[in-house]
Amino acid sequence: DTAVSQTPKYLVTQMGNDKSIKCEQNLGHDTMYWYKQDSKKFLKIMFSYNNKELIINETVPNRFSPKSPDKAHLNLHINSLELGDSAVYFCASSQDKGISGANVLTFGAGSRLTVL
Amino acid sequence: AQSVAQPEDQVNVAEGNPLTVKCTYSVSGNPYLFWYVQYPNRGLQFLLKYITGDNLVKGSYGFEAEFNKSQTSFHLKKPSALVSDSALYFCAVRTKGGGNKLTFGTGTQLKVEL
Repeated sequence: DTAVSQTPKYLVTQMGNDKSIKCEQNLGHDTMYWYKQDSKKFLKIMFSYNNKELIINETVPNRFSPKSPDKAHLNLHINSLELGDSAVYFCASSQDKGISGANVLTFGAGSRLTVL
Repeated sequence: AQSVAQPEDQVNVAEGNPLTVKCTYSVSGNPYLFWYVQYPNRGLQFLLKYITGDNLVKGSYGFEAEFNKSQTSFHLKKPSALVSDSALYFCAVRTKGGGNKLTFGTGTQLKVEL
């Protein structure tokens, strides 16, 4: 069973389109994240949700909107796609218990978005 | 603000030789330090972490890391490298009370050759 699953794995689309990436975790974790990895492999956090509540919202264009219908799902919707949005988007989850900040993240396999 | 530096973009080592991947950090307060590994076309996998206690931390696949507070470093080591260790390695830091924000370094590509 895949612990953190993302769909689609590959997404090729035209500039200006709107697209969504879905993420589901079956680990029973209560915190989920979206990270963006650019072409230089640099990883940057975008959003974090804890029990459906947004707790981290980094400096991300308003065109990016996360939605968490329940604590096992965190979707990412992107409006008006731009060339610079091309990247690999990783979903991750963690269980917040014990020492705050010490929890380990479990990552999905990534969704490679290519904007033409 | 918290940050992590991985000064080497790439590290090359011969199989069987020891390997070191460097990481230094900057935080206000006590750090929680992590190493993750990324194989091609895969997500990141957790290797090991330092929270408190013994400065030498042992993790998966024979890797270990040493926390050095005076040098603000958390270098990843392995006594004998394998070709299968070739991957992209990320150091990351959080602080207690810093919530869920995990800040990653820029990554170091490890290449182990026969």
